[in-house]
Amino acid sequence: QKEVEQNSGPLSVPEGAIASLNCTYSDRGSQSFFWYRQYSGKSPELIMSIYSNGDKEDGRFTAQLNKASQYVSLLIRDSQPSDSATYLCAVNPPEGGYQKVTFGTGTKLQVIP
Amino acid sequence: NAGVTQTPKFQVLKTGQSMTLQCAQDMNHNSMYWYRQDPGMGLRLIYYSASEGTTDKGEVPNGYNVSRLNKREFSLRLESAAPSQTSVYFCASSEVAGIKPQHFGDGTRLSIL
Repeated sequence: QKEVEQNSGPLSVPEGAIASLNCTYSDRGSQSFFWYRQYSGKSPELIMSIYSNGDKEDGRFTAQLNKASQYVSLLIRDSQPSDSATYLCAVNPPEGGYQKVTFGTGTKLQVIP
Repeated sequence: NAGVTQTPKFQVLKTGQSMTLQCAQDMNHNSMYWYRQDPGMGLRLIYYSASEGTTDKGEVPNGYNVSRLNKREFSLRLESAAPSQTSVYFCASSEVAGIKPQHFGDGTRLSIL
């Protein structure tokens, strides 16, 4: 089982809709969770960090963490064409003393005007 | 504020040649990372340095060496380049290894013929 799993997509949503991106992880002891956005040909940029169960909101973005079920999700409200990108989930497993971060392979989001 | 600076941005090598990818950060971060990104494979950790003076292997260290020159600089060396090392290489840094989010450089696109 992969440590961090994401549906590769593409996930297509109409402009103005809510995009829901999901990520599951295998190591129950993981403590830190990150969402990055990566435009084609560019480097990943941080959207949000989340460390405790529940929701964390930042503008149009909401991260949701459920450690018992071992998933973390990202909701994008009022999706815009500029949100079209690949979204990477990252988790820090206990392996290596929590010093490393394991990335999922990403979900490609397409927002249709 | 430059953040994480990688040089060069593009490079073409012949099989068997050696080269060093340079990375420097100006955020006073303690930890630094080298990743490679290949289509469908996501970001894979090559080596990391949780703090100045330490380096550790990641998921795919074979064929690479690293040097944490000082707190700012972390270089990646390919001793004898192979076509399988054709990839996009990203350097990243973090204030606290695994706990705080990583900030990425713009990447080095490396082709080995």
